[in-house]
Amino acid sequence: GAVVSQHPSRVICKSGTSVKIECRSLDFQATTMFWYRQFPKQSLMLMATSNEGSKATYEQGVEKDKFLINHASLTLSTLTVTSAHPEDSSFYICSARGSPSPGEQYFGPGTRLTVT
Amino acid sequence: AQKITQTQPGMFVQEKEAVTLDCTYDTSDPSYGLFWYKQPSSGEMIFLIYQGSYDQQNATEGRYSLNFQKARKSANLVISASQLGDSAMYFCAMRGGFSGGYNKLIFGAGTRLAVHP
Repeated sequence: GAVVSQHPSRVICKSGTSVKIECRSLDFQATTMFWYRQFPKQSLMLMATSNEGSKATYEQGVEKDKFLINHASLTLSTLTVTSAHPEDSSFYICSARGSPSPGEQYFGPGTRLTVT
Repeated sequence: AQKITQTQPGMFVQEKEAVTLDCTYDTSDPSYGLFWYKQPSSGEMIFLIYQGSYDQQNATEGRYSLNFQKARKSANLVISASQLGDSAMYFCAMRGGFSGGYNKLIFGAGTRLAVHP
């Protein structure tokens, strides 16, 4: 089956620094990738949708300058949390859709970000 | 606007019994898809079952079945013969048609299921 990986699985960073999270589709070409944020005991909230080679579309209320998304290839998307603050601490999950099954959406294992 | 509602924050079930997790949705799109995911404590999202809005039959996948009542806009998940390993958070999700953003998968608040021995 289709596999999506995320790296790192856990990261701790100091307030004010930036952190990059990678999302890779390992055995399929991901034309569209999605980034979700999940706070403890809450649901997944879609942050942005990115198509390969084009700018990401951000959901209302998500700061595009703070959460930089790059989808430079059909197998890799990155989320960079710039100038991170403790309130950015969350579980970030990516998912991907693409060929040969564009109707399917596959999730990565998630990245737990803690900002101290 | 599209919306998914899960009204049960927590559910308990005895091992080997069946349990129903409720999900209602709201959309103006005639074409949409409904999903159920399981999220154990590890955090990964595990796909369980899918129902398309035009599917005539209720979806089934092993011990999971989806009770799709289109007129009532409900898509309840039924887990038969519960196992201890079924203890997890369960999310109902919907992917809408053009007006809802075809790509978008939106999630309900989730239901935490605890299976007791």
